[in-house]
Amino acid sequence: DAGVIQSPRHEVTEMGQEVTLRCKPISGHDYLFWYRQTMMRGLELLIYFNNNVPIDDSGMPEDRFSAKMPNASFSTLKIQPSEPRDSAVYFCASSLTLAGGPNNEQFFGPGTRLTVL
Amino acid sequence: GQNIDQPTEMTATEGAIVQINCTYQTSGFNGLFWYQQHAGEAPTFLSYNVLDGLEEKGRFSSFLSRSKGYSYLLLKELQMKDSASYLCAVRGRDSSYKLIFGSGTRLLVRP
Repeated sequence: DAGVIQSPRHEVTEMGQEVTLRCKPISGHDYLFWYRQTMMRGLELLIYFNNNVPIDDSGMPEDRFSAKMPNASFSTLKIQPSEPRDSAVYFCASSLTLAGGPNNEQFFGPGTRLTVL
Repeated sequence: GQNIDQPTEMTATEGAIVQINCTYQTSGFNGLFWYQQHAGEAPTFLSYNVLDGLEEKGRFSSFLSRSKGYSYLLLKELQMKDSASYLCAVRGRDSSYKLIFGSGTRLLVRP
């Protein structure tokens, strides 16, 4: 398997523009996670899905952020309008299960480095 | 609330042993994970503990004490490539089971 795939790998945009980040989870994984990582705040969970349904979006910063998962192999994270403080690395991860025991680890994609000018 | 503490930075010598500690306070407990993250790369899974005791995987071992809210990651026979950040993450037993990550410990291995 190719692992979790994210695009783009780098995005530079201007304040006020819409940004869309894309993720393809590992085939067969039921859980998909969106994280944001900054030096100040570390790795933070934004939202996660189970079988394409959003389960916990309490980490989504504000209404400017939205995430969708229209099918089992694709998810998007959208920021509209973007602001300089949104600059960060955004990781997508997937896992087979959340239960205890084996196969519950999360596999991370390579990340999208977003810079908002 | 939920809180995870790790040292910010550690330095060790190639070939030596280093122990990275993690203490946590969470609402319930359903497992602790260690991830390795090289600069500019994604985190990769190292270990998982849900019961007390030591889990060994080659040069890496992870220990958990649930009563003390404490874990450590032990790295033996350090190699230069072990220079990375090590993230401790805890899963609570709330309704969402999400992972809460610590800020990470940046390990520098010197020759």
